[in-house]
This record gives sequence, structure tokens and C-alpha cells, in this order.
Amino acid sequence: EAQVTQNPRYLITVTGKKLTVTCSQNMNHEYMSWYRQDPGLGLRQIYYSMNVEVTDKGDVPEGYKVSRKEKRNFPLILESPSPNQTSLYFCASRADRVYNEQFFGPGTRLTVL
Amino acid sequence: AQSVAQPEDQVNVAEGNPLTVKCTYSVSGNPYLFWYVQYPNRGLQFLLKYITGDNLVKGSYGFEAEFNKSQTSFHLKKPSALVSDSALYFCAVRDISGRYGGSQGNLIFGKGTKLSVKP
Repeated sequence: EAQVTQNPRYLITVTGKKLTVTCSQNMNHEYMSWYRQDPGLGLRQIYYSMNVEVTDKGDVPEGYKVSRKEKRNFPLILESPSPNQTSLYFCASRADRVYNEQFFGPGTRLTVL
Repeated sequence: AQSVAQPEDQVNVAEGNPLTVKCTYSVSGNPYLFWYVQYPNRGLQFLLKYITGDNLVKGSYGFEAEFNKSQTSFHLKKPSALVSDSALYFCAVRDISGRYGGSQGNLIFGKGTKLSVKP
């Protein structure tokens, strides 16, 4: 089954404790992206990747890091999480054509205390 | 800059009635437009897209959308709403103006419209 998976689905952590949210897709997609969803703000892009070793900032990259060492994986790293990073996070992927739709993961609900 | 607006935070419809969820866009060049739906505690699911061709686009679950170039709109419609259609709906436009050229294609999302269908 074609899918985007994220882990963990739920995470409660404390300020400053480094964490990684994994994202993996099995569709051989070139493009991958991370979004955060907050009430009243819709989805905002954090980082995206056009292919292996090619990443770029989205609209809200501060406090986040990403890497793309393999085509299928695109982890999101919070080196020192803060309470304002409490949010619902989505990973997405698509094939490398501008008219292709994106496939989204199930989401990771992160709470930073 | 390219953008998309969903003017209604919430739309309430009675089951069996037609529904419309509004979306307007601003782009330079040809628009690539998408609708996604998010059910509670789920990720976003693709509903339909407009790339070129017929202005009326048909998608999943009986939804359709009408592309109107003169009004820069891409409203989502369904002839007869179901209670199970209750969800959060997002309109999105593809940004083709990025540093990697046309293939970059980041999606720019509207803030979402909550659809509530009552029995």
C-alpha cells in the first residue's frame, strides 16, 4: 500500500530535550515536505526537499532541522524544543511533477511543556 | 506572491442539501489548484485538482469544483451533502515561482473551512 508514515503519532516532551520525528514514504517520490498545522493558521510549510541531499526552508523553519540522506526518509529534528512548537505536524510527499498531488502522513501531535 | 483564501471559517449545511465551500486564489501565470479534506484525527486526503481543461473538475466522494478564471475562484461543491462529509477542507495553489523553477511546486494552503453537515 502506497503511504507516508510518521512516528511517533503522539509525543509529549519538555523544553530543550532534542527530538526527532521520522517520516518515510514507499512511493519513490522525489519531493518531500514538512508542515505544521495550528488553529486559525492552516498549514504552514517548515522545510521541503526536492531530492536526496537537496533541502530548503519553507515559511516557518526557525527551530527545526531536516535531512534527506535517503530518498524515502525525511526526518524532522527539533534540537531544543520550545512550547511554541507545540503543534500538529504533517509530512507529505509527491512525485516530481508540478501537477501531482501530495500524499500526507497521519500526523504527529507534539506537546512541549 | 501567490496566495489562496478561504473566506468562510465554517459552513453549515443540512444533510441532503447542496454544499459549496469557497476558495479564491491569486497567482502569476496558470494556476494549479487543489482541494484536500481532513477528517478528525487524520492526515489530509486529496480530493481533486485543476491543472487545465474543463472548468468543472470531478473528484472523490462525489465532490466537484468549478474553476472560474475571471473570478479567480475554485469553489468546492457537492449536490447532496452527507453527515459523513463533515470535516475540514483546504484549498491549495501550487507555487511555481520558487528558486528551483517550475518544478518546485510548493503548495500554498488556505486556512481551511470547517464543514458541518447536520442530519
